[in-house]
Amino acid sequence: AQSVTQPDIHITVSEGASLELRCNYSYGATPYLFWYVQSPGQGLQLLLKYFSGDTLVQGIKGFEAEFKRSQSSFNLRKPSVHWSDAAEYFCAVGPSNDYKLSFGAGTTVTVRA
Amino acid sequence: SAVISQKPSRDICQRGTSLTIQCQVDSQVTMMFWYRQQPGQSLTLIATANQGSEATYESGFVIDKFPISRPNLTFSTLTVSNMSPEDSSIYLCSAEQGDTQYFGPGTRLTVL
Repeated sequence: AQSVTQPDIHITVSEGASLELRCNYSYGATPYLFWYVQSPGQGLQLLLKYFSGDTLVQGIKGFEAEFKRSQSSFNLRKPSVHWSDAAEYFCAVGPSNDYKLSFGAGTTVTVRA
Repeated sequence: SAVISQKPSRDICQRGTSLTIQCQVDSQVTMMFWYRQQPGQSLTLIATANQGSEATYESGFVIDKFPISRPNLTFSTLTVSNMSPEDSSIYLCSAEQGDTQYFGPGTRLTVL
């Protein structure tokens, strides 16, 4: 069975500082990996995804993530956060054959001025 | 990417009643999904809505409580039946396109 762990429940960063959100997964084969963001009162917006190929993927809003097979990780990074990045971030993993996703518990990001 | 809308965006309901949530996709998609997000929690898959056949439910979810319709390739409904306060959650639908799930804005349900 697939599973996703986001070790950090809550992260506070200063505006302009860098941000890294951790994601570890458990899956028997090469997974499909996703990061979604949920702003307060909103649905989920796709930030980026990894299926295969280059292990460093670029997403929207200046985010990037790196797939590390040896560490079963898919960490999300942003070099300089903006106040509008305050939100809940979810890592998700899915197999390629039935498109079902398993979500991590989420990481809440607070941005301080 | 698929654009998904949901109605209603929020509702407050009395226990014992039922609410039907609608999900509309702007393009034809093969697979649609329904999720529940309980307060302060992550997303849990309720079921896969199959066009032309019965929905496929995940463990812990049953058709009598969460009947789902999928009359065509752009539309689905989820009904939350005989509601109790424990059903207070955000309900989200998603659609698969290009091996990626895109989500609607969610329906925030409060049961009193």
